[in-house]
Amino acid sequence: DIQMTQSPSTLSASVGDRVTITCRASQSISNFLAWYQQKRDKAPKLLIYKASTLETGVPSRFSGSGSGTEFTLTISSLQPDDFATYFCQQYNPNSRLTFGGGTKVEI
Amino acid sequence: EVQLVESGGGVVRPGGSLRLSCVASGFTFEDYVMSWVRRAPGKGLEWVSSINWSGVRLGYADEVKGRLTISRDNTKNSLYLEMKSLRADDTALYYCASGSGYFESSGLFIGYFEQWGQGTLVTVSS
Repeated sequence: DIQMTQSPSTLSASVGDRVTITCRASQSISNFLAWYQQKRDKAPKLLIYKASTLETGVPSRFSGSGSGTEFTLTISSLQPDDFATYFCQQYNPNSRLTFGGGTKVEI
Repeated sequence: EVQLVESGGGVVRPGGSLRLSCVASGFTFEDYVMSWVRRAPGKGLEWVSSINWSGVRLGYADEVKGRLTISRDNTKNSLYLEMKSLRADDTALYYCASGSGYFESSGLFIGYFEQWGQGTLVTVSS
């Protein structure tokens, strides 16, 4: 299986901060990467797919970049609604889907 | 509004059985691959199983093959997971999710998940 490693596991930030979360794959996955947001006791929400394509309805302060083995999720100006856990998922062909361990963004 | 609502979780003894259900609303259910994804306590998310729109293509994680069976009823906008021979390591929050992607000939689902439910908790314990 392809291992997905997220960093940091926890991130302390303030409203208005620029936040960057990293996801590294144990082997190249081209741009077959998605990012999700999950708030406590809520359903996960798709933010980005194909590494950088914003899902419909997701605010433009969210952006994704990267290819190969290193990817980033950036929130350009953190809003109160953005305090949540974020996780990545790879969907490389011929590989079982795997997820990162998650990054909790807290105050 | 798109909704996926899981039910059927509970406490079951090792070796026991359980049937999870997921009812979808707010989108055309039969247009989507549907999947189950789980999160065990203290661990990350793990893909469990997926089924294509017609129910002909199925995929399972190796850990659950032969014990868990996925199915769907498009007339009821419902997804199911029949769980048998349950083990302690099946203890997890089980999410239902609609997917965008495709099935490989190996049975692997390759894609991402557009909508998720809130999950139903399965606890396997004696």
